Amino acid sequence: EAQVTQNPRYLITVTGKKLTVTCSQNMNHEYMSWYRQDPGLGLRQIYYSMNVEVTDKGDVPEGYKVSRKEKRNFPLILESPSPNQTSLYFCASSLIAPDYNEQFFGPGTRLTVL
Amino acid sequence: KQEVTQIPAALSVPEGENLVLNCSFTDSAIYNLQWFRQDPGKGLTSLLLIQSSQREQTSGRLNASLDKSSGRSTLYIAASQPGDSATYLCAVWNSGGSNYKLTFGKGTLLTVNP
Repeated sequence: EAQVTQNPRYLITVTGKKLTVTCSQNMNHEYMSWYRQDPGLGLRQIYYSMNVEVTDKGDVPEGYKVSRKEKRNFPLILESPSPNQTSLYFCASSLIAPDYNEQFFGPGTRLTVL
Repeated sequence: KQEVTQIPAALSVPEGENLVLNCSFTDSAIYNLQWFRQDPGKGLTSLLLIQSSQREQTSGRLNASLDKSSGRSTLYIAASQPGDSATYLCAVWNSGGSNYKLTFGKGTLLTVNP
């Protein structure tokens, strides 16, 4: 089944404790992206990647890191989480070509930073 | 900067009614527009993708139209059912520049009452 998976689905952590949220897709998509969703603010892009070893900042990259060592994986790293990073996080993937870049989203990771 | 607006923010209708959700965007230089459904606390499910060269797309009881020149899209839901209750999001993919992301509206919360 074609899908985007994220782990963990739920995470409660404390300020300053490094964490990684994994994202994996099995559709051979070049493009992958991370969004966060907050009440009243909607979905905002954190980072994106056009292919292996190619990443760039989105609208709200502060406090986050990403890496793209393999085409299928795009982990989101919070080196020192803070309470303002409490949010619902989504990973998405697609082909690059505009005529074919329907975005597929993962199920989401709900993160709480105490 | 692209801005996407969805009206109304919330809509409550009786079962069986036909309804229209509206989406407008400020920059008409888009590759495509995508409608999503989001159930509470869940991920985004893609409903319809309309390329910039297309005027509409249909899937079952759903019909989405796109008027790129006026910056508008509508999602028409025929014969609504309680199972259609969810938040509906529209998002545009901009062409040109380095804007490699979807820009989302804040959604319309639809409630279909039995």
